[in-house]
Amino acid sequence: AQTVTQSQPEMSVQEAETVTLSCTYDTSESNYYLFWYKQPPSRQMILVIRQEAYKQQNATENRFSVNFQKAAKSFSLKISDSQLGDTAMYFCAFHTGNQFYFGTGTSLTVIP
Amino acid sequence: KAGVTQTPRYLIKTRGQQVTLSCSPISGHRSVSWYQQTPGQGLQFLFEYFSETQRNKGNFPGRFSGRQFSNSRSEMNVSTLELGDSALYLCASSLASGASSYEQYFGPGTRLTVT
Repeated sequence: AQTVTQSQPEMSVQEAETVTLSCTYDTSESNYYLFWYKQPPSRQMILVIRQEAYKQQNATENRFSVNFQKAAKSFSLKISDSQLGDTAMYFCAFHTGNQFYFGTGTSLTVIP
Repeated sequence: KAGVTQTPRYLIKTRGQQVTLSCSPISGHRSVSWYQQTPGQGLQFLFEYFSETQRNKGNFPGRFSGRQFSNSRSEMNVSTLELGDSALYLCASSLASGASSYEQYFGPGTRLTVT
């Protein structure tokens, strides 16, 4: 069975600080894609960053970067220089076999 | 390009009724997926349609059904509504081909409340 686990239901971080959101997954597939999505309060879900499982290099998008450990099936998201607009629910997901699997989300609050 | 749109945005229904939700994907996107989002459960996959065919289905009862039209627009129907069906229903579209095929773009969702 394919599963995604986000063990931190809620987190908070001071503005301008760095925070890391954890995600582990379980799959027997060798080819898959990993994603982090952000859902701001009462707003649309948007893609933050993606990572192809066959790539060893960690993906980076401006202040967002991932730590992808394929053997450990871990895919954490690091947010640097946190901003108030980063306050949102963050979902980890992976795609394999024409289907997406999502975690239960981490609610991140950036404190001014 | 216009984003994914969903109608209606809010719905209030009573138990036993049925409801139809609509989703218009981004132009050129052929895959449409539906999710149910509830607090604490995250996103639960309902089904995916590609070129008018259901390609994948999640673990939901038969009361949940969907379809896709030739213009890629999709509808989701829930019959005999139960209180537990109250949720945010999200639609997502993707190209489903090429290097960026697995990037999903989400609509704003339809908030369904069953009383």
